[in-house]
Amino acid sequence: AQSVTQPDIHITVSEGASLELRCNYSYGATPYLFWYVQSPGQGLQLLLKYFSGDTLVQGIKGFEAEFKRSQSSFNLRKPSVHWSDAAEYFCAVGFNTGGFKTIFGAGTRLFVKA
Amino acid sequence: DAGVTQSPTHLIKTRGQQVTLRCSPKSGHDTVSWYQQALGQGPQFIFQYYEEEERQRGNFPDRFSGHQFPNYSSELNVNALLLGDSALYLCASSLIGQGYEQYFGPGTRLTVT
Repeated sequence: AQSVTQPDIHITVSEGASLELRCNYSYGATPYLFWYVQSPGQGLQLLLKYFSGDTLVQGIKGFEAEFKRSQSSFNLRKPSVHWSDAAEYFCAVGFNTGGFKTIFGAGTRLFVKA
Repeated sequence: DAGVTQSPTHLIKTRGQQVTLRCSPKSGHDTVSWYQQALGQGPQFIFQYYEEEERQRGNFPDRFSGHQFPNYSSELNVNALLLGDSALYLCASSLIGQGYEQYFGPGTRLTVT
């Protein structure tokens, strides 16, 4: 069965420090991979997505993610975190089965300290 | 260009009641998906509608049903509400064949007491 694992429930980083959020997925083929961000009380905003090609993808707000097939991972990174990055981050897997379906991980809450 | 809109923003219902949530997709989109996000968890796929038919369904009981109208807007209905149905309900729209380009609405917060 398809699944997404985000091993870190929450992470705290200092403002200006680098960030890496982990994501592992289980799927028989190369899926569509996504990272979304959700601020309190808000909907989901797409940060970036991967379908094929270059395994390092750039997204909005200075985020990037790297797809590693051998590790079934799609980790999110940012070189320098800003206080406004504090939010919940979700990794997701999408695939076509007669209609597109998306499975989300449980999320990682990012706290940013001054 | 209006994005995905949902109504109401919040509502409170009692166990056993029925509720209807509404979603208007982003202009030009023809496919609507619904997700349930319980507190502290990731969104879970409920179902997807295209051409007024349910195309995909997640692992949700029949108490959860939906509808899509000719203008592509959609409703999510939940019957016989349980306390466990309390959650943020998210609607996402896309174009058929481009389901990877989903746009999410702000959600409806449902509280069941």
